[in-house]
Amino acid sequence: AQTVTQSQPEMSVQEAETVTLSCTYDTSESDYYLFWYKQPPSRQMILVIRQEAYKQQNATENRFSVNFQKAAKSFSLKISDSQLGDAAMYFCAYRTAYYNNDMRFGAGTRLTVKP
Amino acid sequence: GAGVSQSPSNKVTEKGKDVELRCDPISGHTALYWYRQSLGQGLEFLIYFQGNSAPDKSGLPSDRFSAERTGGSVSTLTIQRTQQEDSAVYLCASSSGTASTYEQYFGPGTRLTVT
Repeated sequence: AQTVTQSQPEMSVQEAETVTLSCTYDTSESDYYLFWYKQPPSRQMILVIRQEAYKQQNATENRFSVNFQKAAKSFSLKISDSQLGDAAMYFCAYRTAYYNNDMRFGAGTRLTVKP
Repeated sequence: GAGVSQSPSNKVTEKGKDVELRCDPISGHTALYWYRQSLGQGLEFLIYFQGNSAPDKSGLPSDRFSAERTGGSVSTLTIQRTQQEDSAVYLCASSSGTASTYEQYFGPGTRLTVT
């Protein structure tokens, strides 16, 4: 079974600086999707960025980018120029490309942004 | 347009009572997912519906949990004889398809507290 591990329960960053959140996963599949979701206090999960495993190029969305290392099964999220509104829980998630099913989530990293 | 909505936002119930949680997906979305988020944990898949087809119930933790989807739209998650360990946030998500390329849109969740 696929598992997703986020080893940093909490992270802190100074406003305007850069922070990297770590995620590793375990799978025997070759085709899959990886996601980072943000969950603010409102509880609504918001998709931040996604990566297709067959793409070698790292995904970027404005201030958010990933470092996808397929061989190492690592998928870290970099947030540049951190803003107060970035403070939230961040979840890494894995989804298989082979069948219609659920996503597997990590336990999350709580990000605090200091002014 | 309107996003995924869930009701109630919060629910407090006594141990042993039954509860019903409701999810209204985005109009036109054929796939609907239920997840459970326990305190300090990531999301745990419970059940998913694709249109009117039989649901994938593989994630339901016990036979006290059931779900139905009316006319391929609104879904109700029912927990019978609630236990304290059922206390969690229950999140619903919908997507326009079930392939992994389709983004899941999440609702704000229902926080269930069993006393």
